[in-house]
Amino acid sequence: DAMVIQNPRYQVTQFGKPVTLSCSQTLNHNVMYWYQQKSSQAPKLLFHYYDKDFNNEADTPDNFQSRRPNTSFCFLDIRSPGLGDAAMYLCATSSYRDISETQYFGPGTRLLVL
Amino acid sequence: AQSVTQLGSHVSVSEGALVLLRCNYSSSVPPYLFWYVQYPNQGLQLLLKYTSAATLVKGINGFEAEFKKSETSFHLTKPSAHMSDAAEYFCAVSPAMGNDMRFGAGTRLTVKP
Repeated sequence: DAMVIQNPRYQVTQFGKPVTLSCSQTLNHNVMYWYQQKSSQAPKLLFHYYDKDFNNEADTPDNFQSRRPNTSFCFLDIRSPGLGDAAMYLCATSSYRDISETQYFGPGTRLLVL
Repeated sequence: AQSVTQLGSHVSVSEGALVLLRCNYSSSVPPYLFWYVQYPNQGLQLLLKYTSAATLVKGINGFEAEFKKSETSFHLTKPSAHMSDAAEYFCAVSPAMGNDMRFGAGTRLTVKP
């Protein structure tokens, strides 16, 4: 089945220790998104890639970076995680061939910062 | 700018009762509208979407939603709640062009036996 895959599902890191979360997709979608979701809140868009074009949200901290080496993979790098970065991180994809650009989500990675 | 408002952060129903989750949108142009469901520690799963075809949209798990332009609403309903419907539900709006989906704050649905 075509899908969005996130690894790992749970990630524990230490305060200030860089961490990378990964997302892959078999949908061949050209757009990939990263969201941060804190407890009992809506997902908050951090950035997205339209093909190779990177689009950063204005209020995304510089501590968050992303890489998209190819169509299938996208990474979220947190350079110096703080306690406030503990959250669920969701990856999503969409296709410009779909006029509604419906987003399809992965299962998420829950990040814990100690 | 477009946005959605979900009325009621928590809704509780009895098993077998009608489920009604409210969503109102604000958009200057006809939008695309979505309902997603999120189970604990999981990602968002698409329930249904409105893309300007039929105003009554049927989704998975017996859910449906009706687009009412005059009321700027897109409420989600299910005739008979099941225990497995307990989850967080998000309404979202997207413009006709562009990657700019906006989520509502979410409604947590509890189903009582």
